[in-house]
Amino acid sequence: DAKTTQPPSMDCAEGRAANLPCNHSTISGNEYVYWYRQIHSQGPQYIIHGLKNNETNEMASLIITEDRKSSTLILPHATLRDTAVYYCIVRGTGNQFYFGTGTSLTVIP
Amino acid sequence: SQTIHQWPATLVQPVGSPLSLECTVEGTSNPNLYWYRQAAGRGLQLLFYSVGIGQISSEVPQNLSASRPQDRQFILSSKKLLLSDSGFYLCAWSVRWGGEQYFGPGTRLTVT
Repeated sequence: DAKTTQPPSMDCAEGRAANLPCNHSTISGNEYVYWYRQIHSQGPQYIIHGLKNNETNEMASLIITEDRKSSTLILPHATLRDTAVYYCIVRGTGNQFYFGTGTSLTVIP
Repeated sequence: SQTIHQWPATLVQPVGSPLSLECTVEGTSNPNLYWYRQAAGRGLQLLFYSVGIGQISSEVPQNLSASRPQDRQFILSSKKLLLSDSGFYLCAWSVRWGGEQYFGPGTRLTVT
């Protein structure tokens, strides 16, 4: 039960902003939006999470729409090392992360 | 800082053989611990989680088992491996229930 919809793949030019969309139209009021990424053959890496306010950290920004039905992860200046599969996950107060198939981002030189 | 270790990194085992994968966390106390499996080209499936020593919850019935003999040690085992047990096994930890989880480097298991 992934609860999210993401495009299967995206390309981004190196140095440009990468904007990764996620739809979560059935999200409920107490559910958070999490983003992880997985570089080939490595464990997933936590990026950022939020409830309803926009969030920013050293890795990325998370923009959540006012109705909370969609969000966008922004990598401000993509590098080749950002090539990975990006997972958008909605989770509530339980302890399970349901990883779907994510978006495969390719950063092009 | 906290670190999570898994070993071995890769493993090739024949069908019917036993399995033991180990995960340890450093730099934190009483973490929540998790075992996930990722089949090729697919998302992660939660197998087990533990909120304390000796406390194991199973999410998916299967021929695998988990144990937590020490606070920061989590072990995934099987008495007899099946071909369908092949996959990428990931251990993760979190500070608190419902918090973000941090993953280890994974073990790639191939059952032949």
